[in-house]
Amino acid sequence: EAGVAQSPRYKIIEKRQSVAFWCNPISGHATLYWYQQILGQGPKLLIQFQNNGVVDDSQLPKDRFSAERLKGVDSTLKIQPAKLEDSAVYLCASSLGASLTTDTQYFGPGTRLTVL
Amino acid sequence: QKEVEQNSGPLSVPEGAIASLNCTYSDRGSQSFFWYRQYSGKSPELIMSIYSNGDKEDGRFTAQLNKASQYVSLLIRDSQPSDSATYLCADTKAAGNKLTFGGGTRVLVKP
Repeated sequence: EAGVAQSPRYKIIEKRQSVAFWCNPISGHATLYWYQQILGQGPKLLIQFQNNGVVDDSQLPKDRFSAERLKGVDSTLKIQPAKLEDSAVYLCASSLGASLTTDTQYFGPGTRLTVL
Repeated sequence: QKEVEQNSGPLSVPEGAIASLNCTYSDRGSQSFFWYRQYSGKSPELIMSIYSNGDKEDGRFTAQLNKASQYVSLLIRDSQPSDSATYLCADTKAAGNKLTFGGGTRVLVKP
């Protein structure tokens, strides 16, 4: 079974530029998550999708971050414009369903973003 | 106060010893608890979940939950150098399935 795919793996941009990350979840997984992990910290949930609907985006900085999952499969996370503090690893994860007591959440390899 | 707190470490243990990791949480409504392992430069992977008070064992790992004291711990028996990683504690609240992670404890197992 293929895992969660993410691209690119690394990205370096200058502040105020835009950047987009792509995620392809495990086949059949209805729930998709985007996390931000700053160096030395645990992952922080940015947004959660159930199929193509948003379940939770309470910690997404909506003035600069946006995400979509138009067909309920792949997802894109965008930052526009980027700030220095956005330097982090962006992790995508997916699970079969919405209940983490029954459905394991699997993480992709992440995209390491450096904002200069 | 952070919702989920862990000692950042590093926790240094000799090979073959027991590594004991602790995690406290602030929300009494937290229902489910998870331990993830994250190797340097890699993504987190689930190693244990626990939902009820008491102990849960899986191979060399034992998770312990005490809801009255609001802490959850992870014991790693017969620690191996391959156990050297950051261990992340996470919980979910009663209302949903959103994971809230602690900052992680870095474990170093020395041969």
